[in-house]
Amino acid sequence: DGGITQSPKYLFRKEGQNVTLSCEQNLNHDAMYWYRQDPGQGLRLIYYSQIVNDFQKGDIAEGYSVSREKKESFPLTVTSAQKNPTAFYLCASSIVGVSSLNLGTEAFFGQGTRLTVV
Amino acid sequence: KNEVEQSPQNLTAQEGEFITINCSYSVGISALHWLQQHPGGGIVSLFMLSSGKKKHGRLIATINIQEKHSSLHITASHPRDSAVYICAVEDYGGSQGNLIFGKGTKLSVKP
Repeated sequence: DGGITQSPKYLFRKEGQNVTLSCEQNLNHDAMYWYRQDPGQGLRLIYYSQIVNDFQKGDIAEGYSVSREKKESFPLTVTSAQKNPTAFYLCASSIVGVSSLNLGTEAFFGQGTRLTVV
Repeated sequence: KNEVEQSPQNLTAQEGEFITINCSYSVGISALHWLQQHPGGGIVSLFMLSSGKKKHGRLIATINIQEKHSSLHITASHPRDSAVYICAVEDYGGSQGNLIFGKGTKLSVKP
């Protein structure tokens, strides 16, 4: 079955350590996204990529880095520069190029990774 | 000001009740999504709308583009409907496929 897989579901790290969250999709989607969710807030965009080897900063990119070496994979690294890394991280993907006026783009979501920094 | 506003923030209902969750937005959109997030955190896409009305089982979603408003209705609610329901819009002027999210409505259905 096609879908998006995030791993691990729960992740614990010591303060000051970098950590990489995995996101893999087998939907043949061009676009992939990373969002962060904090209690009481809507999901906020960290980074997105619309094509392999290209990615763009979202609203809260500071302290994060990404790579897009393969279409299927869009790993997110939470660096030690991220001041408040404890959060729920969600990966999503969508087809790019088929969206037309008033049709929108259907998005698919992973199950999320809950990162706790201690 | 948030570009996507949902109401109510929290909703408690008795099993069998008809439920309505509202979403208002301030940007021009190409589509609006209703998403369901379960306690474990995973998100499921319920609907994608650009006009009119859609129905899946006990769920109905409507959108009024002129009024920039959408509603999600649940008929004959059940405890398994308990979840956070999130409205998200695809900004017409933004990156294709990127979504602007509301803060969610936490629904609890009591047996």
